[in-house]
Amino acid sequence: EVKLEESGGGLVQPGGSMKLSCVASGFTFSNYWMNWVRQSPEKGLEWVAEIRLKSNNYATHYAESVKGRFTISRDDSKSSVYLQMNNLRAEDTGIYYCTPHYYGSSAWFAYWGQGTLVTVSA
Amino acid sequence: ETTVTQSPASLSVATGEKVTIRCITSTDIDDDMNWYQQKPGEPPKLLISEGNTLRPGVPSRFSSSGYGTDFVFTIENTLSEDVADYYCLQSDNMPYTFGGGTKLEIK
Repeated sequence: EVKLEESGGGLVQPGGSMKLSCVASGFTFSNYWMNWVRQSPEKGLEWVAEIRLKSNNYATHYAESVKGRFTISRDDSKSSVYLQMNNLRAEDTGIYYCTPHYYGSSAWFAYWGQGTLVTVSA
Repeated sequence: ETTVTQSPASLSVATGEKVTIRCITSTDIDDDMNWYQQKPGEPPKLLISEGNTLRPGVPSRFSSSGYGTDFVFTIENTLSEDVADYYCLQSDNMPYTFGGGTKLEIK
C-alpha cells in the first residue's frame, strides 16, 4: 500500500522560512519523480515543484510563483522528499501535498498524502 | 503556460441525473488530461488519467472524452456519494496546471 506522510507545516510570519518533509512507503521511491502540490481556497490546486531521478541528475522544476524562494530536494535512502520554503508570503498559505509520478505512466498524481497546513501570517 | 478553464464552478443535480463538466485548455495538449474527485477533508483522488482512462476500481458511471483543447467529464446516474469537488489537470507540459474546480451538490 502506498503511503505518503507530510509534516513540518505550521504558522510562520511573512518573510520567514519553513521546511516540509514527506516520507513515502509502499513503492520504490527512487524510481519516482516527486512533486509538491498545494491547495488554498483562493487559488485552488497549484503544482509547486518537482524533482526527478538520480539518472536525471535530480533535475528540479518550479512554478514561477515560487522560483527562487523554494527548493525541492530528496533523500532516496530515506524515501523522503523535502520542500525548503524561504521568504514566505501570505499567498503561500495552504495545504501542501507530496505526490509521486512514475515516468512514462499516464496516471498523474495517483497517490496523495493527507497534506500539511502552512499558514503565513503576522 | 497552459491555462485550464473549468466550468461550471458549481452545479446542483438530482440523484440519477447526468453531470457534465468541461475543461478548455489554452494550448493543444493531445489527450493529456486527468480528472480528480475531492471530498471534504480528503486529498484529491485520481478518477481518470491521460487518454480518458478510467482508473481501476472507479465506477463506470464516471467517464471523460476530449482531445486537443476541449475536454468533458461526465457522471451518469449521479449518486449522493458523488457530492464532491472535481478538478481537471493538464499533464502535457510544465507547469502542470489545474482547472479551478467544480463543486457538485445534490438537490
